[in-house]
Amino acid sequence: EAGVTQFPSHSVIEKGQTVTLRCDPISGHDNLYWYRRVMGKEIKFLLHFVKESKQDESGMPNNRFLAERTGGTYSTLKVQPAELEDSGVYFCASSQGGAGNTIYFGEGSWLTVV
Amino acid sequence: QQQVKQSPQSLIVQKGGISIINCAYENTAFDYFPWYQQFPGKGPALLIAIRPDVSEKKEGRFTISFNKSAKQFSLHIMDSQPGDSATYFCAASRSFGNEKLTFGTGTRLTIIP
Repeated sequence: EAGVTQFPSHSVIEKGQTVTLRCDPISGHDNLYWYRRVMGKEIKFLLHFVKESKQDESGMPNNRFLAERTGGTYSTLKVQPAELEDSGVYFCASSQGGAGNTIYFGEGSWLTVV
Repeated sequence: QQQVKQSPQSLIVQKGGISIINCAYENTAFDYFPWYQQFPGKGPALLIAIRPDVSEKKEGRFTISFNKSAKQFSLHIMDSQPGDSATYFCAASRSFGNEKLTFGTGTRLTIIP
């Protein structure tokens, strides 16, 4: 069974440009999460989808970040325009619906804004 | 405000020794406490998790100790091996893991021969 897959694995963009990260969750997983880790700090929650609905977007830093989940399948996270402080690794994770289910993480998308 | 505090930041243990990583939380609504293991270039992977109705959970060489009154929990790795060298994150969640995870800052563990 395929795990959580993320694209691209690495991206280097200039300040002011736009980047779109994609996440394909494990098939059948209703819950999809985005997290971010800035260098040396904790992994921070960004938002949570249940199927195609945003359940919790309290962690989104500002309106330069836009997340979508098309038809309850894959998700995209767009950063527009990117700033230097957006650099870090963005993790996508998914889990089945219901309590106590394991949350599986992807390998992350490394974003460097220069 | 960091809701889950993790220590130490880095840890070096000799092969065969016991590795201990500690975490403390503030939010008493948390009811699910997982530990994640991350190898370089990989995403975090669930290692072991505990709910607050038990004080200890053991899976192989890995044990979580939980102290509800002190709002603390720790990971013990017995007979530590070089293959255990990784970054370990504690985390906490509500609704038995059905909500977002709040992570600690991570501990970089190195096991030396």
